[in-house]
Amino acid sequence: EAQVTQNPRYLITVTGKKLTVTCSQNMNHEYMSWYRQDPGLGLRQIYYSMNVEVTDKGDVPEGYKVSRKEKRNFPLILESPSPNQTSLYFCASSGGGPGELFFGEGSRLTVL
Amino acid sequence: DQQVKQNSPSLSVQEGRISILNCDYTNSMFDYFLWYKKYPAEGPTFLISISSIKDKNEDGRFTVFLNKSAKHLSLHIVPSQPGDSAVYFCAASGKASEYGNKLVFGAGTILRVKS
Repeated sequence: EAQVTQNPRYLITVTGKKLTVTCSQNMNHEYMSWYRQDPGLGLRQIYYSMNVEVTDKGDVPEGYKVSRKEKRNFPLILESPSPNQTSLYFCASSGGGPGELFFGEGSRLTVL
Repeated sequence: DQQVKQNSPSLSVQEGRISILNCDYTNSMFDYFLWYKKYPAEGPTFLISISSIKDKNEDGRFTVFLNKSAKHLSLHIVPSQPGDSAVYFCAASGKASEYGNKLVFGAGTILRVKS
């Protein structure tokens, strides 16, 4: 089954404790991206990757890092989480066609 | 500055009637428009799209209309069903060669279809 898998689905952490949200897709897609969803703001892009070792900032990259060492994986790293990073995060991938993204189920992160 | 705006946070419709969800955009460079549907505890799923060279695209009960001069698009669902109750996101993309697959999303509209 074609899917994008994120882990963890839910996480409560404290300010400053580094964490990684993993994302893996099994569709051999070149393009992957991270979004955060906040009330009234919709989905905002954090980082994206056009291919292995090619990443770029989206609209809200501050406080986040990513890496793309393999085609299937695109982890999101919060080196020093802060409460304003409390949000619902989605990973997505696309293999072609402008904008038709496959999304993961989301990771709800709470930073205390 | 939001480039894609969904000005109605929510919409309630009776089962069997038409649901009309609206979306406005400000960037005239947008080339491709999409609607995504999201159920609670799930990721958004692609619903329907339209290229800027068209003014209408239909897929079963779902039709998207694009008015480029007004920078406005709408999603019509006819007839509406209780299973259509979800959050609907409008999204826009520039030319792939310039923007990659970058999508700009609206804030979403919660649709409730009452039975």
